[in-house]
Amino acid sequence: EVQLVQSGAEVKKPGESLKISCKGSGYSFPTKWIGWVRQMPGKGLEWMGIIYPGDSDTRYSPSFQGQVTISADKSMSTTYLQWSSLKASDTAIYYCARDGGSSSYYFDYWGQGTLVTVSS
Amino acid sequence: SYVLTQPPSVSVAPGQTARITCGGNNFGSKSVHWYQQKPGQAPVLVVYDDDDRPSGIPERFSGSNSGNTATLTISRVEAGDEADYSCQVWDISDRSAVFGGGTKLTVL
Repeated sequence: EVQLVQSGAEVKKPGESLKISCKGSGYSFPTKWIGWVRQMPGKGLEWMGIIYPGDSDTRYSPSFQGQVTISADKSMSTTYLQWSSLKASDTAIYYCARDGGSSSYYFDYWGQGTLVTVSS
Repeated sequence: SYVLTQPPSVSVAPGQTARITCGGNNFGSKSVHWYQQKPGQAPVLVVYDDDDRPSGIPERFSGSNSGNTATLTISRVEAGDEADYSCQVWDISDRSAVFGGGTKLTVL
């Protein structure tokens, strides 16, 4: 069974750093792209970026380029999303999602989401 | 960057057919995917590549893509279909995924 299990909720202060994770199982982890998606409170889905764990090839949405870093450790079947200096506006649920494997990049399995709260 | 436009809300009575649209330029060259998201839950893929259904998704869910509009059709709507529905494409020029703003389906 394919599963993506994300790390738990975080409460941070502005300016702090953070790294959240997404661990895949039930399939060949290195061979499927994994994307990250933001959902701000009461809002829609926003695509942040995508990584191919096999070689760590990474692509970012222009809106998130330079704001976050996406990485992967294929030996741990885990991808990461990190911030060096959080802002209150980073408060959101963050989902990881697996690419279904076609050239049209749809997301067939999703993690349960990680709630990040940034507040002073 | 590429923009997908969805109506904020659609309402339908149980047993009727719901149609949720997603507008964008040059849709004919892109494959459209649809996600269902219920409150407090992660999104679920319900249609991919315009009109394919993942295993486990009822046949009541179908998709189409024509011209500049893609449509998610839910036949014989049930109370359990009440959710937010979002469309998504891959923009080859930007090498980015793009989501529509989402449509809240209300079952009356």
